[in-house]
Amino acid sequence: KAGVTQTPRYLIKTRGQQVTLSCSPISGHRSVSWYQQTPGQGLQFLFEYFSETQRNKGNFPGRFSGRQFSNSRSEMNVSTLELGDSALYLCASSSRQRALSYNEQFFGPGTRLTVL
Amino acid sequence: QKEVEQDPGPLSVPEGAIVSLNCTYSNSAFQYFMWYRQYSRKGPELLMYTYSSGNKEDGRFTAQVDKSSKYISLFIRDSQPSDSATYLCAMSAAGGGADGLTFGKGTHLIIQP
Repeated sequence: KAGVTQTPRYLIKTRGQQVTLSCSPISGHRSVSWYQQTPGQGLQFLFEYFSETQRNKGNFPGRFSGRQFSNSRSEMNVSTLELGDSALYLCASSSRQRALSYNEQFFGPGTRLTVL
Repeated sequence: QKEVEQDPGPLSVPEGAIVSLNCTYSNSAFQYFMWYRQYSRKGPELLMYTYSSGNKEDGRFTAQVDKSSKYISLFIRDSQPSDSATYLCAMSAAGGGADGLTFGKGTHLIIQP
């Protein structure tokens, strides 16, 4: 079974630009979560999508947005990039079949975004 | 105060030693506790998860959760150089992480051959 894939793996942008990152979950998984990882703040939750709907959101500004398609693939968009947005962006997929019990999240390799 | 505190290390130990990694947390709503391992240039991979308080063992790895103290631990026995990585604790109130996982900053572990 193929794992979570993320494209592109590396990206360089300049301040003020916008960027779109893509995540393909494990086949059959309908939940996709996005995280930002930086040396200073560690891994922080951005948002979760399930069945094309955003179900939960972390404490990030509105410049960070996302969407999920009917095939469960997800995209994350960051507008008006700032230097502080330089980070590793990770997505994780889960089957989320059991609402009140544990469902493992499987992480992709991440997209390394550098903002100059 | 961050919700989850974890010593970033680095923690360097000789091969074969027992390693103890720890996290403390402040949110009493956390019910699910996980340990992830992350190698350089890779995404985190789940090592173990525990629901509520108690111990769980899997091979050389043992996870402990003490909810009364808001303290979790991961022990690695007979440590190997291949165990060198960053270890992240993670927690959530909902099992599927639907509320998002809350992570510690990670402990960088180095096993010296």
